[in-house]
Amino acid sequence: DSGVTQTPKHLITATGQRVTLRCSPRSGDLSVYWYQQSLDQGLQFLIQYYNGEERAKGNILERFSAQQFPDLHSELNLSSLELGDSALYFCASSVATHSGANVLTFGAGSRLTVL
Amino acid sequence: GESVGLHLPTLSVQEGDNSIINCAYSNSASDYFIWYKQESGKGPQFIIDIRSNMDKRQGQRVTVLLNKTVKHLSLQIAATQPGDSAVYFCAESGGYALNFGKGTSLLVTP
Repeated sequence: DSGVTQTPKHLITATGQRVTLRCSPRSGDLSVYWYQQSLDQGLQFLIQYYNGEERAKGNILERFSAQQFPDLHSELNLSSLELGDSALYFCASSVATHSGANVLTFGAGSRLTVL
Repeated sequence: GESVGLHLPTLSVQEGDNSIINCAYSNSASDYFIWYKQESGKGPQFIIDIRSNMDKRQGQRVTVLLNKTVKHLSLQIAATQPGDSAVYFCAESGGYALNFGKGTSLLVTP
């Protein structure tokens, strides 16, 4: 158990629908990151929040949005779903190592299937 | 654009042999690099990191080598075990987030 909790583990929905993925970071971690993993694109960075504020954006579609709440949990909202949105969505939280590297600790992921 | 990539998509090694997984990067401004291991059905798991001012770093059965001249990173796993079978990703620091390569699948055969 990494300490990063993601729900749901699996989600099957139809095109055009909207889903919300939830993430609770490790205790003490203020940063939350969302990544999308698909077979042909690898791990793609979507967005990062730090202590409730958006800090960095990656390849996140306009149909997707996220937020981080005062209790530091985060939600990733995916709307107008398309078949190509089927992927694993990972949440990670971060802590710096003694060397100063910003190491991300990942949750087990939410597998989204769009039919 | 800047990218992190892997030389080989799959690697098959015999149990007990040493494994070497390679990675090329293009962003010479990265402060550090990290190797992750992802087992089937799980999220990526941190293995080891190395700062850009270092050439080599050792952990338990793993060694990471950084060659900044040719922008190359490698992960060496000693005495590879069946439990090492997984996909391995290199990642480079890219501002606030990590930029991941596409991964190398390591298969350990008996």
